[in-house]
Amino acid sequence: NAGVTQTPKFRVLKTGQSMTLLCAQDMNHEYMYWYRQDPGMGLRLIHYSVGEGTTAKGEVPDGYNVSRLKKQNFLLGLESAAPSQTSVYFCASRARWEVQETQYFGPGTRLLVL
Amino acid sequence: TQLLEQSPQFLSIQEGENLTVYCNSSSVFSSLQWYRQEPGEGPVLLVTVVTGGEVKKLKRLTFQFGDARKDSSLHITAAQPGDTGLYLCAGVLGGTASKLTFGTGTRLQVTL
Repeated sequence: NAGVTQTPKFRVLKTGQSMTLLCAQDMNHEYMYWYRQDPGMGLRLIHYSVGEGTTAKGEVPDGYNVSRLKKQNFLLGLESAAPSQTSVYFCASRARWEVQETQYFGPGTRLLVL
Repeated sequence: TQLLEQSPQFLSIQEGENLTVYCNSSSVFSSLQWYRQEPGEGPVLLVTVVTGGEVKKLKRLTFQFGDARKDSSLHITAAQPGDTGLYLCAGVLGGTASKLTFGTGTRLQVTL
């Protein structure tokens, strides 16, 4: 049982390049989330999904797109990377009916945009 | 605009000392969570508090939810080096997805 995994762990992009971050969970969770973490700002929600085939915008969605074609996977895309998107990206998942509303986080993807 | 402000931002103390971290907001949350994050890893849930005025204890850690459900505190008794990490509070706004609004974080270092 791997929990939440993220691919890749680290990536360097040039301004204007595109890439996709992959999040996979093996806990059969309905809800999945993408966050970015910047110094002094905690984590900010980018996009989230309440089930396969559904996505919604979070607090900072501009410049990102997401897809949830399979329940276990949640993809985050950067169409044209900008230096402002340099950050650490975390994926999380949650069971719909879990009383404590626990979100389980992956280990993060560190992205540097030059 | 950060909905949840944590204080202090940084805290460096010696083993055995006590400390309190505060999490404040002008918004009301349906519940509030505390996470701890270690370098190179994602946050891990420590506790969820739901009822205004609720107090929960986890070994040497005591969590309190404000009566009005707008603020929370984390108190650590006799801190140990293993308590070192980034502590994040997160308010649950409710709704179908139970989105989290994270605080700004408190970085704690406990030295021998």
